[in-house]
Amino acid sequence: ELKVEQNPLFLSMQEGKNYTIYCNYSTTSDRLYWYRQDPGKSLESLFVLLSNGAVKQEGRLMASLDTKARLSTLHITAAVHDLSATYFCAVALPQGGSEKLVFGKGTKLTVNP
Amino acid sequence: DSGVTQTPKHLITATGQRVTLRCSPRSGDLSVYWYQQSLDQGLQFLIQYYNGEERAKGNILERFSAQQFPDLHSELNLSSLELGDSALYFCASSYSSLAGVYNEQFFGPGTRLTVL
Repeated sequence: ELKVEQNPLFLSMQEGKNYTIYCNYSTTSDRLYWYRQDPGKSLESLFVLLSNGAVKQEGRLMASLDTKARLSTLHITAAVHDLSATYFCAVALPQGGSEKLVFGKGTKLTVNP
Repeated sequence: DSGVTQTPKHLITATGQRVTLRCSPRSGDLSVYWYQQSLDQGLQFLIQYYNGEERAKGNILERFSAQQFPDLHSELNLSSLELGDSALYFCASSYSSLAGVYNEQFFGPGTRLTVL
């Protein structure tokens, strides 16, 4: 059974600081997603990482994937308050000719002024 | 706005009751996925349909069932409701269903179910 572990689960940081969220998974997969969720809202797709060594950047967020280590990271640069949200990684798992997403527990990020 | 719609937004009901949640996928998408988000279980995949057929199953209880209709909208039926079924239920859609193919899922706004 695929397990997806995120850490930390809670992260409180000051504006302007850098930090990294880690996502480890237990079974081979070459597709990993990062989502953002604001309180009571839906999931917003941030990044899709499709191959080993993939790196994607959008604004102050950068995501990378190491399929050999079964590790993805979401790096936050010079955090701002607007980045406060819960961030989920999700690993695609083939099933019956289709695939399902297995989510980590999420990292609740709070950026303080 | 992802283009996926879900109704109702909120639902409050009593234990033992039955409810139906509805999802309309993005225009052109053939696959619909259902997920449950609760505080203790996190985000869990329930079931997937592709063009009217069930394709993948996750941790879906026997009291729950789903279907996808010819117009591609989907319904999730929850029966004999228990307090623990209180959660946010998301629907997502994608164009394809094939494993190994880039297949991004777009999530709807969710239905918040409260069982009293």
